[in-house]
Amino acid sequence: DAGVTQSPTHLIKTRGQHVTLRCSPISGHKSVSWYQQVLGQGPQFIFQYYEKEERGRGNFPDRFSARQFPNYSSELNVNALLLGDSALYLCASSSIFTGENNEKLFFGSGTQLSVL
Amino acid sequence: GQQLNQSPQSMFIQEGEDVSMNCTSSSIFNTWLWYKQDPGEGPVLLIALYKAGELTSNGRLTAQFGITRKDSFLNISASIPSDVGIYFCAGQRGSTLGRLYFGRGTQLTVWP
Repeated sequence: DAGVTQSPTHLIKTRGQHVTLRCSPISGHKSVSWYQQVLGQGPQFIFQYYEKEERGRGNFPDRFSARQFPNYSSELNVNALLLGDSALYLCASSSIFTGENNEKLFFGSGTQLSVL
Repeated sequence: GQQLNQSPQSMFIQEGEDVSMNCTSSSIFNTWLWYKQDPGEGPVLLIALYKAGELTSNGRLTAQFGITRKDSFLNISASIPSDVGIYFCAGQRGSTLGRLYFGRGTQLTVWP
């Protein structure tokens, strides 16, 4: 079975541009979360979507947005890119929204975004 | 955002040695998790801890959920070269599984 898949794996953009990152969760998983990992830091939570609704948002500006589709895949959009947006963007999925029954969160390999 | 203090920041050890790293927080967490991340990859779950005081092993790895619910440690026994990587602690508050708070990581280097 495929794990969490993200595309593209690498991306180079210039300041001011916008970018769309894509994520396909593990089959059967309905919850998708997005994280930003700046070099040398741990991942930082951006969004969580469950059943196509936003269920949580981290401390990120409105330039960041996301959505989840009926097949539970998700897109992360970032507008007006800044140099500081350069990071590894990670997608994670789980089968349910809450942490009951010892559910676990599985991460994809990420999209490395470089903003020049 | 929520800060998890993870230490040490880096470790250089010889193959066969034991390793210990820990994580502390100013807030209570309901779940503590330990992940390993290799270059160019996403974090991979090593151990999950769900109850205060819980001690859990996964092969040569052992982790504990602190009694105060504000700390956790990870031990690796008899290290091998493939243990090289960055180890992250992460905490979950409430019941929201998808929202984790991560430490800054411990970079482990193992010399043969």
